[in-house]
Amino acid sequence: SHELTQPPSVSVSPGQTARITCSGDALSKEYTNWYQQKPGQAPVLLIYKDKERPSGIPERFSGSTSGTTVTLTVTGVQAEDEADYHCQSADSTGTFVIFGGGTKLTVL
Amino acid sequence: QVHLVESGGGLVKPGGSLRLSCAASGFTFSDDYMSWIRQPPGKGLEWVSYISSRGSTIDYADSVKGRFTISRDNIKNSLFLQMNNLRVDDTGIYFCVTFDSTSRAFNYWGQGALVTVSS
Repeated sequence: SHELTQPPSVSVSPGQTARITCSGDALSKEYTNWYQQKPGQAPVLLIYKDKERPSGIPERFSGSTSGTTVTLTVTGVQAEDEADYHCQSADSTGTFVIFGGGTKLTVL
Repeated sequence: QVHLVESGGGLVKPGGSLRLSCAASGFTFSDDYMSWIRQPPGKGLEWVSYISSRGSTIDYADSVKGRFTISRDNIKNSLFLQMNNLRVDDTGIYFCVTFDSTSRAFNYWGQGALVTVSS
């Protein structure tokens, strides 16, 4: 499969927990990575290998996986977390790099 | 500090060509895989191509295969993307990105170069 499915949008109030899902047949076998993209900026690597955080990424961002669905969790959402979030993995053959369609996180 | 700066974007007619360049600094360029990723206006990200550290392994998305060519110059710390027979749907921001071949994660991104294909 060449597809990763994300919800187009998620909304939460400040201080609440946001969960953004990414689904795809290959996700049970391939690593998933997450990127944050603020308007007019390049994406930033947020989570790699399903749940690892690069240095400098706040602990409130975490990743988890269950079968063919992976989840990005933002605990204690802040206004500055309002952005687009993209998941990325490989297809079921491990050949092609694929991205989800992106999820816009709105902080109410 | 990793720094990636793209250049060479612009407006081109369908069927035309452009060559993007990416100047890299702040890391050992010759040790890393590199990639191009694009983003059409208002849409999501699309992987375009990647090249191994010495250029021996290259792959392309089906949408650009046969039209785009990725290359690198490890002496000049530069990455290139030759784009031929451009189509309207090639329009977007093209990002130069470092690529970890194990995790398949894109670690560092340039600010992007805008390519507009329009008659």
